[in-house]
Amino acid sequence: QQQVKQSPQSLIVQKGGISIINCAYENTAFDYFPWYQQFPGKGPALLIAIRPDVSEKKEGRFTISFNKSAKQFSLHIMDSQPGDSATYFCAASQGAQKLVFGQGTRLTINP
Amino acid sequence: DADVTQTPRNRITKTGKRIMLECSQTKGHDRMYWYRQDPGLGLRLIYYSFDVKDINKGEISDGYSVSRQAQAKFSLSLESAIPNQTALYFCATNQAGGAYNEQFFGPGTRLTVL
Repeated sequence: QQQVKQSPQSLIVQKGGISIINCAYENTAFDYFPWYQQFPGKGPALLIAIRPDVSEKKEGRFTISFNKSAKQFSLHIMDSQPGDSATYFCAASQGAQKLVFGQGTRLTINP
Repeated sequence: DADVTQTPRNRITKTGKRIMLECSQTKGHDRMYWYRQDPGLGLRLIYYSFDVKDINKGEISDGYSVSRQAQAKFSLSLESAIPNQTALYFCATNQAGGAYNEQFFGPGTRLTVL
């Protein structure tokens, strides 16, 4: 059972553009929504995370938008750079329980 | 991140062989996890352990077993490897009670079963 659905599976964006990756979840008990970034040959690493008491969180060029009523959240990368090319995973968890990951999005930023 | 290490980094084996993947961490975390990554399927949890005496099945535990030898060591075994277990395997750790439940991943083991 896939509790977190992520789209698109792959995305190509021109340098300087906005990259948008979407996730939808089913379990309304989830209360923690992180995004992980993975470069080739490396393990995933936490990029940014949000809790459902806010609708948006911004860290530099990276923003999470959260829509509790729609059970959706998204990652926006502003002014996308070639160095942002990586695989991105959304995830969700309830309290301190285990994370449930989305299917991943392979992002390519063309120079 | 050298705080979480996995051995081997690459392994090619044959169908029916037993294989063990090892994970060690120097972060002092209580919790450890094993995931497999497949294209289009994301990261799927195989087993997890919240402390040395605690072992739990994840969503895809069939064909796998684990051992938590110490707080710092968590190994994953494939008792009789099959080709559809060809994947990238990751170990991760985190600390109970951490503010953001952040998991720290090892560099991965690429396993090929012929």
